[in-house]
Amino acid sequence: SAVISQKPSRDICQRGTSLTIQCQVDSQVTMMFWYRQQPGQSLTLIATANQGSEATYESGFVIDKFPISRPNLTFSTLTVSNMSPEDSSIYLCSAATSGGLDTQYFGPGTRLTVL
Amino acid sequence: QQQVKQSPQSLIVQKGGISIINCAYENTAFDYFPWYQQFPGKGPALLIAIRPDVSEKKEGRFTISFNKSAKQFSLHIMDSQPGDSATYFCAAGAGSYQLTFGKGTKLSVIP
Repeated sequence: SAVISQKPSRDICQRGTSLTIQCQVDSQVTMMFWYRQQPGQSLTLIATANQGSEATYESGFVIDKFPISRPNLTFSTLTVSNMSPEDSSIYLCSAATSGGLDTQYFGPGTRLTVL
Repeated sequence: QQQVKQSPQSLIVQKGGISIINCAYENTAFDYFPWYQQFPGKGPALLIAIRPDVSEKKEGRFTISFNKSAKQFSLHIMDSQPGDSATYFCAAGAGSYQLTFGKGTKLSVIP
C-alpha cells in the first residue's frame, strides 16, 4: 500500500491569492491525481499529474488556474491560483501503483476556505 | 465524465441492522466498481471493489451486489456497527486509472 500525506491540511486564504498544496507518497507510484471534493458533492477529478511532463486536465479545469507539478515518482504539487470563494473545497491527492485502478489510495485532503 | 448516481443521500440504521446503498451507471465501458469509505477529516479509503465478471463479492460484513444488465451495483453492510458511521462513495472506472464517483451516502448507525 501507499501512504499519502498532504500539506497544508487546511488553510484560509484571501480572494486573489494563490495556494500551493503538496502531496508526498511514501513509495514510488505510477500515477498521481488531484481531485476536488465540494461539500455535498462527489469527488471530481481535476487532473492527472504526469512525471516529467505537463499534467492532463479534465474538462472544466485549466492549467492557468490549477498548475500542477510532478518532479519525481513520489511528489506532486497543485496550485490554486487567483482564488475566489468558489474555490473553497477539499483538495485530495491520490496515487495508484502499477496494479491499476484497484490500488488507488487517497491522501487526507487539504481543506481550503477562500474569503 | 460519465455520471454515477448514488442513493440514498443519507441513511440511518440501527446497530445490528443491514445498511444498503445503491448506485447506477450509464457508461457500459465501465469495468471496475469500487466503494470507498470516508471518515470526517480523512481521505477516502478503498473498502471493497468488484469487476463485472462476478455478480457478488463479499469481504467480512461488506458485500457488493452487481447487476450488469440493469447497470446497477449496491453495497450491503451486514450487522452494522456505530463504527461504520461514515460517508460511502461508489465509483466506476473503465480501463484507465480515472474513477467517476457518486455523490456519497452519509451513514449513521445508532446504538
